[in-house]
Amino acid sequence: DTAVSQTPKYLVTQMGNDKSIKCEQNLGHDTMYWYKQDSKKFLKIMFSYNNKELIINETVPNRFSPKSPDKAHLNLHINSLELGDSAVYFCASSVTSGNNEQFFGPGTRLTVL
Amino acid sequence: SQKIEQNSEALNIQEGKTATLTCNYTNYSPAYLQWYRQDPGRGPVFLLLIRENEKEKRKERLKVTFDTTLKQSLFHITASQPADSATYLCALDKAAGNKLTFGGGTRVLVKP
Repeated sequence: DTAVSQTPKYLVTQMGNDKSIKCEQNLGHDTMYWYKQDSKKFLKIMFSYNNKELIINETVPNRFSPKSPDKAHLNLHINSLELGDSAVYFCASSVTSGNNEQFFGPGTRLTVL
Repeated sequence: SQKIEQNSEALNIQEGKTATLTCNYTNYSPAYLQWYRQDPGRGPVFLLLIRENEKEKRKERLKVTFDTTLKQSLFHITASQPADSATYLCALDKAAGNKLTFGGGTRVLVKP
């Protein structure tokens, strides 16, 4: 009965590889987000989707490509991984018509070697 | 440029006392200000939201104030307990549905 789930929890990979992180929410929300939390604990938004449509795209390298097959899922694909991509990635969801209270997933710790 | 500042130093407090955290912002006119709690290895959890036209909001032992003149929010945990130990993040939002911008968080450690 997890509200926002992410897989995998941990991801260790070599530089140059391509990897994906999956996110699903069962809250019936219409907006989903990807955040990056670096080693200094700053949480920064990367992307936001509303009803499968991209609405926020921060200054993120185009090696990062989000995909929303439906409004309950938002996946993040990363090409040509670099050392600086190592961080914890959080998925979140909210209701657009609400107060933007966001529900976060447990996070995916990505380590690029 | 827009900035949100929270005290990066950990706040050590004795059980039963009130913990007070600050969130200051510049070059920003938020419609909402939110506070989240984050435990190690977990995602942030929403605690409270306060609107620009509200001065104070309470929820159980938590109290938030919002001063748009000072560009500051204060977050209080009264009668603190060791279970309140966590990192607390403030986040600003221009309007519902818009993006949240988070501060760096303040770690609170409540000692028994």
